[in-house]
Amino acid sequence: DAGITQSPRHKVTETGTPVTLRCHQTENHRYMYWYRQDPGHGLRLIHYSYGVKDTDKGEVSDGYSVSRSKTEDFLLTLESATSSQTSVYFCAISAQGAGGLRTQYFGPGTRLTVL
Amino acid sequence: RKEVEQDPGPFNVPEGATVAFNCTYSNSASQSFFWYRQDCRKEPKLLMSVYSSGNEDGRFTAQLNRASQYISLLIRDSKLSDSATYLCVVTPNTGNQFYFGTGTSLTVIP
Repeated sequence: DAGITQSPRHKVTETGTPVTLRCHQTENHRYMYWYRQDPGHGLRLIHYSYGVKDTDKGEVSDGYSVSRSKTEDFLLTLESATSSQTSVYFCAISAQGAGGLRTQYFGPGTRLTVL
Repeated sequence: RKEVEQDPGPFNVPEGATVAFNCTYSNSASQSFFWYRQDCRKEPKLLMSVYSSGNEDGRFTAQLNRASQYISLLIRDSKLSDSATYLCVVTPNTGNQFYFGTGTSLTVIP
């Protein structure tokens, strides 16, 4: 258990509204990530952060922004939600695992439906 | 070209069977390799790392073939509880970016 929580766990919203998803971690990990997962596409990186106020884009960043004002919180904002952003969103951290390799640990996910 | 490619399956096998999944990667400089398991409507969870010499964890064996750029996962004596989607993951030499395959679906049938 990497101590990662996500909120909300489920959300239904309407097209055009802003939405913010929160990822919270308790173990002071430097790297945090936001992914979306859709059938046929697998996990796709939206944005990631390598420290407070340090973020970078992933492969599907259009329509999303992020903020990290504290080590423990990484926020994902859909500026104006569209139906194509209906998805399951996972937050992750990277950490040294057994055997010394850095690997990823995921939060429980947020199911977002945009009507 | 995708960084990581997997056969999506589905693989439907009877209990007790042996099943193998392969995953190919495009970047020959990739450094670390993993298999994750994802149950329906849950988050992916690390199953095992894949080491150059191959490694085993109980009924699970992972292999890496750098020359052909693929990793494999072998599950022996399949259990109903092995039913899940298996994701292969590759990292480049930076170590903090991770590339996921789309996953291979396994159903173990009684």
